[in-house]
Amino acid sequence: EVQLLESGGGLVQPGGSLRLSCAASGFTFSTYAMSWVRQAPGKGLEWVSGISGSGDSSYYAGSVKGRFTISRDNSKNTLYLQMNSLRAEDTAVYYCASQVQEYFDFWGQGTLVTVSS
Amino acid sequence: DIQMTQSPSTLSASVGDRVTITCRASQSISSWLAWYQQKPGKAPKLLIYKASSLESGVPSRFSGSGSGTEFTLTISSLQPDDFATYYCQQCNSYPLTFGGGTKVEIK
Repeated sequence: EVQLLESGGGLVQPGGSLRLSCAASGFTFSTYAMSWVRQAPGKGLEWVSGISGSGDSSYYAGSVKGRFTISRDNSKNTLYLQMNSLRAEDTAVYYCASQVQEYFDFWGQGTLVTVSS
Repeated sequence: DIQMTQSPSTLSASVGDRVTITCRASQSISSWLAWYQQKPGKAPKLLIYKASSLESGVPSRFSGSGSGTEFTLTISSLQPDDFATYYCQQCNSYPLTFGGGTKVEIK
């Protein structure tokens, strides 16, 4: 059974940093591209960042480029999102998702990030 | 960036109704489109990929069609479990983008 378990969310002040993790199990992690998708309270879905299975290629939404960094450790079956210079508008539930041809077949349960003073 | 526009944003329907949701892309994406269902407090669930391929385990009352810039998701006979919000997503190129969502409500 595929499982994706996010962690690392919480309350952070504007300008602060946070690192999200997503522990994967039930599939061959290194062969799948992965992404982070977020959803602000009461709003729609927004793709944030994606990374290839090997970790060689990464992609970002314009709204986070230069502030967020996606990475993965295939030896630990874990996906990461380093978030710096956080803003109020980054407040959202962050989901990790496994990718097949750029659509998302499995999703985690999400972790809430709140940026507020 | 490719913009995805869904309509309507809200839809009121009754159990048994045939429901159609439309998604338009700002440029051609061939058949690189997916549809998701999301219920409150839950993660999205993949329904349809490559515009018309039904994800394993998804009921056959769900179907997708279209190519290029115009796509539809159809629920042939709405069931109580189908009241949710539906999103389209273009899978053609980065940055990946979603439509704004269509909330299907009980009439």
